[in-house]
Amino acid sequence: DIVMTQSPDSLAVSLGERATINCKSSQNILYNPNKKNYLAWYQQKPGHPPRLLIYWASARESGVPDRFRGSGSGTDFTLTITSLQAEDVAVYYCQQYYNTPFTFGPGTSVAIK
Amino acid sequence: EVQLVQSGAEVKKPGESLRISCKASGYTFIRNWIGWVRQMPGKGLEWMGIIYPDDSDTRYSPSFQGRVTISADKSIATAYLQWSSLEVSDTAMYFCARLDTTGFRPLSSDFWGQGTLVTVSS
Repeated sequence: DIVMTQSPDSLAVSLGERATINCKSSQNILYNPNKKNYLAWYQQKPGHPPRLLIYWASARESGVPDRFRGSGSGTDFTLTITSLQAEDVAVYYCQQYYNTPFTFGPGTSVAIK
Repeated sequence: EVQLVQSGAEVKKPGESLRISCKASGYTFIRNWIGWVRQMPGKGLEWMGIIYPDDSDTRYSPSFQGRVTISADKSIATAYLQWSSLEVSDTAMYFCARLDTTGFRPLSSDFWGQGTLVTVSS
């Protein structure tokens, strides 16, 4: 199985400031024939199901604010919230969908400082 | 509008069987993989497995293989997750999710059900 790790476990950021979450896969999830990274980011607020934010490592899902930015390639990825808003308080998960089982990272909890 | 509506919360005893459901609407059910994710109390997301409803091709996580069965009834656009013998450790929230699908390949999970809470207690 591909193991996904995330850092930090949690972070607190002031409103309007940048939040950065890192995700690392235990093996390369860049598929060379199409040059796509099989990596998604999800946001989960308490009491709610996860919500897809980013797919193909950097493509924003419809309706997702442009302050959410995905980047990275190969084994190292980053989710950046460029200007944190109160409604962004949540747990964020990365997931690889390169090989089944489509493993998730352990999650990063984002709070307001 | 794509919707996944899951069955209601369940309270069961150890050793009992259970089947929970996920009713899909707003898209062509047989054209997307659909799967299940477990979230134990206060914990993260665990990918359990997926099914392609058109031919019932199923992929399980090794962590759940043999412990649960994923199935689908394409005539009523519904996916299922079932246990033959529940354990206390099966207590969790279970989410179904539709997977974006290209060329029969499953991809990211773009729509999610609201979750079904399963509580197993003696």
